[in-house]
Formats: sequence, C-alpha cells, structure tokens
Amino acid sequence: AQSVTQLDSQVPVFEEAPVELRCNYSSSVSVYLFWYVQYPNQGLQLLLKYLSGSTLVESINGFEAEFNKSQTSFHLRKPSVHISDTAEYFCAVNLGGQDNQGGKLIFGQGTELSVKP
Amino acid sequence: DAGVTQSPTHLIKTRGQQVTLRCSPKSGHDTVSWYQQALGQGPQFIFQYYEEEERQRGNFPDRFSGHQFPNYSSELNVNALLLGDSALYLCASSWRDGAEAFFGQGTRLTVV
Repeated sequence: AQSVTQLDSQVPVFEEAPVELRCNYSSSVSVYLFWYVQYPNQGLQLLLKYLSGSTLVESINGFEAEFNKSQTSFHLRKPSVHISDTAEYFCAVNLGGQDNQGGKLIFGQGTELSVKP
Repeated sequence: DAGVTQSPTHLIKTRGQQVTLRCSPKSGHDTVSWYQQALGQGPQFIFQYYEEEERQRGNFPDRFSGHQFPNYSSELNVNALLLGDSALYLCASSWRDGAEAFFGQGTRLTVV
C-alpha cells in the first residue's frame, strides 16, 4: 500500500535561516508528488508539484523540492525563511491514472514549521 | 475565477444527528473529492465523484455518503454522527484524473 512519511512533526527555526522539511513515500508505481501549505483555520494551498520532467521544482515564494526516485523522497527546502512561512506543511502523493486511483491524494501527517524572530 | 467554495464554514451538531456539507468546484473542474482532517492529522480521503458517480472510496463507513450534481457541485452526507466525526472536512476539485487538486477552505464540524 502507498504511504507518505513526514519525518519531522515540528521544525522550529529562526528567521532568515535555511530549512528542510523531509518527506518519504512508499509506492511500487510512479507517482505525482505535492507539497501543500495550511495556515491556521484555513484549507490547503498547493505550494509546488512534481508531475514529470525536471526533478527540481520551485515555487514562487522561494521554496523548492527535489524528487529523488532512488530514495523515494521529495524533501522541501528554503534557503531563508520568513515569519510569514509559519504554517503546517503537508506532503502528498497521487497515483495519477494508475489502477483507477486518479485524483486520490495520500497525505503525510504534516510538519509544523515555526519561524521565530 | 472563483476557486473551490464550501458551505457552511462552521457547523455544530449533536451526536446521532445527520449533516450535509456542500462544495462547488473550481470553474472548469469536473471531479470532486472529499477529505476528513482530524485535529493534528493529515487529511484522509473519503471518496471521489466523477460524472455523478462515486469513482473511488477510502476507508470510511457507509454513514458517509455523497452526491454529485450535473453542474459538478457535490454534497457530503454523514448520518448518525459520532463524537469522532468532529473534524475539518475539505473538498478538492480537479480535472478528470486529477493530477492537480485545488482545495476549498473547509467546513469545521463539531459534534457534541
């Protein structure tokens, strides 16, 4: 069965420091990979995605993630965080159209990023 | 362009009651999925609707049912509410096999 593991439940970091949020997945088939961000009392916002092509994907607000097929990982990084990046971050996989599983997202448990001044 | 909209935003129900949550997908999307997010947890897939039929279902009891209308909007119904049904219910819409899903703001359901 497919699963997603986010290795850190909480990541405290100081403003302007770099950060890495780790995500590993388990799947015997090719997957699509996503990072979503959730601010308090809000829904999920898509941060970035890997569907195919370049294994390094970037968001408009400075986050990037690299798909590593051999290590089945999709870690999220940012070289310098801001107070406004404080939120819950979720890694998710989607099996695409395989086995009629299209559209079903499997989420990790989330990582709470807390940026301190 | 309106994104995914859900109603109501908050709801308080008594144990044993029934509840209906509503979702309008993003313009151009034809597939709607529902997720349950318990406090401190990641979202869990409930089911997905496409062409007015349930296409996939997660590990949820039959008390959870849904419907999709010809305009692609959807409802989630939960019967015989339990305290453990208290959660944020998220609706996501996508196009066909849903390689990319967009989420609404959610409905916060509290069962007392």
